[in-house]
Amino acid sequence: DVKVTQSSRYLVKRTGEKVFLECVQDMDHENMFWYRQDPGLGLRLIYFSYDVKMKEKGDIPEGYSVSREKKERFSLILESASTNQTSMYLCASRQAGGTDTQYFGPGTRLTVL
Amino acid sequence: SQQGEEDPQALSIQEGENATMNCSYKTSINNLQWYRQNSGRGLVHLILIRSNEREKHSGRLRVTLDTSKKSSSLLITASRAADTASYFCATESHGSGNTGKLIFGQGTTLQVKP
Repeated sequence: DVKVTQSSRYLVKRTGEKVFLECVQDMDHENMFWYRQDPGLGLRLIYFSYDVKMKEKGDIPEGYSVSREKKERFSLILESASTNQTSMYLCASRQAGGTDTQYFGPGTRLTVL
Repeated sequence: SQQGEEDPQALSIQEGENATMNCSYKTSINNLQWYRQNSGRGLVHLILIRSNEREKHSGRLRVTLDTSKKSSSLLITASRAADTASYFCATESHGSGNTGKLIFGQGTTLQVKP
């Protein structure tokens, strides 16, 4: 079974802090994705990566950056956390040229005070 | 941008009844997928239907796709209390290459009462 893990289920940070959200997948997938989920807005794509060190902006990249130094790990970075970044963050991975299914981690609920 | 619009936003039914959820989208697609999310958890893939398919079944799930109307429906038959969850449609646009980039709808919250 594909397993996608996220470093924290719940996280509380203060405004202005630098925040790192980590995602690891164990199936050698090329593609990885970061979404945020907010009530009434569904899932919105922040960034995605189609290979190591390769990244592309999604629909809402402002205030975020990402890092993919190793194939299995995709990190989301909030350079200076703000209260409007309080949200549920979901990571997903997919095998390029595979079944097109995305496999999701359990999510990190981030609260910025 | 939100590609998928789902209808209804919320649905409450009795156990044993059928549940139907609809999804509309705006652009040409390679495929449309349905995901399920239990409260506070990640999403789980349910079923994928490609643009050249019209209907697909998986257990108690039936998905239809009408590309002329840019719409899809998910039918859950003989619902169970354990089906209580949020359901999302997601589309892979025709021009997305091999990135696997999906655009998700806002979801339908289904409550199945015992």
